[in-house]
This record gives sequence, structure tokens and C-alpha cells, in this order.
Amino acid sequence: KAGVTQTPRYLIKTRGQQVTLSCSPISGHRSVSWYQQTPGQGLQFLFEYFSETQRNKGNFPGRFSGRQFSNSRSEMNVSTLELGDSALYLCASSLYVTGELFFGEGSRLTVL
Amino acid sequence: AQSVTQPDIHITVSEGASLELRCNYSYGATPYLFWYVQSPGQGLQLLLKYFSGDTLVQGIKGFEAEFKRSQSSFNLRKPSVHWSDAAEYFCAVGYGGATNKLIFGTGTLLAVQP
Repeated sequence: KAGVTQTPRYLIKTRGQQVTLSCSPISGHRSVSWYQQTPGQGLQFLFEYFSETQRNKGNFPGRFSGRQFSNSRSEMNVSTLELGDSALYLCASSLYVTGELFFGEGSRLTVL
Repeated sequence: AQSVTQPDIHITVSEGASLELRCNYSYGATPYLFWYVQSPGQGLQLLLKYFSGDTLVQGIKGFEAEFKRSQSSFNLRKPSVHWSDAAEYFCAVGYGGATNKLIFGTGTLLAVQP
């Protein structure tokens, strides 16, 4: 069974640009969550989707948005990039509502 | 507000020695508790979880953790560490209910000496 797939794995952007990251969950998983990981702030929850509906959102500015499609694939978008947005963005999927998450390898974003 | 504290940022142990990583949480109800491990350049892998029942839970790779409600702790243990266990370990608490949102601790980086 394929795991969680995130694309792209690495990307470099400049300040002011926008970026879209993609996540394909494990087959059959309808819950997708996104986390930002930085050395200074650690792992921080961004948002969670279930059956195309945003179920929960973390404390991030409106520049961070996401969506989920009918096939459970999810995308997150960051507009007007800032240097502080440089991070590893991790997607996780889950079969049940228990917090047992299966993580992808992440998309590492560098903002110059 | 829910929070998770991992007091040890770095730990170094010798291969074959025992290991205990500390985790304390703050949560108003019965928590869902997790330990995840992250190797360099990788995502997180679930080691073990506690939802209810037996307070000593077994996980993968020979790890175990004990839930102590009176101490609000969920410490991770392994009797004999292998060099391949070198990684960063994260404790997390789940809200339960209708969400998979987790609050993570800041992590403990484990180094293993030969």
C-alpha cells in the first residue's frame, strides 16, 4: 500500500511569490492534516480536512490556505511568501479520528 | 490550553544502554497520547499510542511507554538502544473527539555512541 505522497519535495521561492503544495493520502484515508515544522517553532498544526471540509484550523495568517478534493487529495497554498515561511511542510493522513497519523516525507520550502 | 513538554532537548546514550525519554502533558480530559520518531530528512513515524486501558503500551522497534495520570506523564523507554535508533523523538497529545489535531512537544534528539 502506497504511503502519503507529497510533491514537490524541495522548492525555492522568493519573497512575495506564492506556492502550492500537494498531498496524496493513503488510499482509503479521508482525513488529511498539514503541519509546519521549523527549528524555532517546532511542529505546528496548520489545518485538517475531512471529506472536502475543513474541520480544524491552526493559528496561521490568512495567507495560508488549503483544500481537499473529492478523491481526498489535498493542496495547501501560501501566498505572498515571507522569509519566515521557510519550513518543512508535512502532510498526514488518517483512517480514523484518533490522531493516529501517517506522515509523508514533507515538502521543504526555502524562501529567499 | 493543551501543551506538551519534552524537557530533554538532546540525549546521548551508548549502544546497548537503556533509554528513557520524558514527556509531560497538560490536558483537561483523558488524553490521546502518541510518540513519533523522525529520522533526518524524513517524515514522522508513529512508534506507539495510548487511548485508554492498560497504562503500559508496547510499540514498534522494541519501544514502550507508560501513561501515569497522576504525574501527567507519558515517558518512552527502550531496554537496549541500537545505533539505528538515533533520531528525533516527538511526544504528542490529541484532542480526541471529531479531530485529528495533535499538539507536539519540541522533540528530543537522540544520539547513540558506539
